[in-house]
Amino acid sequence: RKEVEQDPGPFNVPEGATVAFNCTYSNSASQSFFWYRQDCRKEPKLLMSVYSSGNEDGRFTAQLNRASQYISLLIRDSKLSDSATYLCVVNWGYQKVTFGIGTKLQVIP
Amino acid sequence: NAGVTQTPKFQVLKTGQSMTLQCAQDMNHNSMYWYRQDPGMGLRLIYYSASEGTTDKGEVPNGYNVSRLNKREFSLRLESAAPSQTSVYFCASSEPGMSYEQYFGPGTRLTVT
Repeated sequence: RKEVEQDPGPFNVPEGATVAFNCTYSNSASQSFFWYRQDCRKEPKLLMSVYSSGNEDGRFTAQLNRASQYISLLIRDSKLSDSATYLCVVNWGYQKVTFGIGTKLQVIP
Repeated sequence: NAGVTQTPKFQVLKTGQSMTLQCAQDMNHNSMYWYRQDPGMGLRLIYYSASEGTTDKGEVPNGYNVSRLNKREFSLRLESAAPSQTSVYFCASSEPGMSYEQYFGPGTRLTVT
């Protein structure tokens, strides 16, 4: 089983839709979790950290379920500019970080 | 504030040739990393440097060497390039203990023929 698993998509959604991505991780000792965004042919950039209590940043909500070992990202009111690949990132020790393969989102007019 | 810079942006090599990818950061971060990104594989860590003067192997170190020249600079060397090393290479830096956010450079697209 891969350490971090994501559905690569693509997820094609209309503007204004709500879309959710999940990411599962295998190491129960994982300590911190992140969502990164990567635009086509660009470098990854941090979108948001994921806290145990869940956290929200505008239209984006991230949640962590330690019991089932997954994190999720919810995007409300999708914009064309949200089209990108979303990388799930798990930190499981000092200098131990694993990136998922990413989920591609395409928002359609 | 440039963040993380990488050179070159693109490179084509013949099998067996050598080259060095350069990376520099101006955020005074202690840790620096080299990743490669291939379709369907995600980002894989090649080498990292937790602090100036130290380097450690990551997940896929074979065929690569690194040098942490100073706190700002971390270079990646391919001694004898192979087609399997065709990839996009990203350098990143972070300050461990402070959210573990990594800041990435723009990447180097390398093709080995």
